[in-house]
Amino acid sequence: DVKVTQSSRYLVKRTGEKVFLECVQDMDHENMFWYRQDPGLGLRLIYFSYDVKMKEKGDIPEGYSVSREKKERFSLILESASTNQTSMYLCASSSPGQVGEPQHFGDGTRLSIL
Amino acid sequence: LAKTTQPISMDSYEGQEVNITCSHNNIATNDYITWYQQFPSQGPRFIIQGYKTKVTNEVASLFIPADRKSSTLSLPRVSLSDTAVYYCLVGGGSGNTGKLIFGQGTTLQVKP
Repeated sequence: DVKVTQSSRYLVKRTGEKVFLECVQDMDHENMFWYRQDPGLGLRLIYFSYDVKMKEKGDIPEGYSVSREKKERFSLILESASTNQTSMYLCASSSPGQVGEPQHFGDGTRLSIL
Repeated sequence: LAKTTQPISMDSYEGQEVNITCSHNNIATNDYITWYQQFPSQGPRFIIQGYKTKVTNEVASLFIPADRKSSTLSLPRVSLSDTAVYYCLVGGGSGNTGKLIFGQGTTLQVKP
């Protein structure tokens, strides 16, 4: 069974800090995704990676960057955290092929920016 | 940009069939339609995926009309454990990740 692990379930940071959210998958998937989930808005795609060192912007990339140095690990970086980035962050992975292949999600990191 | 719309909430009783409809008027030719289930404190879990007509698996059916502007997730004989949020996702067929559009989610409450 595919396992997607996010390093923290809860995280509290201060405005202006650089924040790293880590995600690891154990199924050798090429595709990895970062979403944020907010009440009433569903899931919105921040960034997507289809291979090591490859990335594409999603719907809401502003204020975020990503890093994919190894196939199994995909990091989301908040360069200078702001209060409007307080949210639930979800990582997902999928097997190669179309981007629409079924995704496997981690259980999320609830990030609070004070 | 495509917009994916679904009801905010639905109520049902144990043993009933539940149908949740998602509207996606601007679906592209190559887009898939995928449904996910999410329980509190967990990530979404894949339920079913289709492109056109009808798809059935061991937990659900997905009905897609010929124009593909909507889709209906059907859950047969729901139980209390089916209480969850259900998300419709449209996109992914073109390779353009910007077109992975989730609906706002439908909270299904199953009552005894």
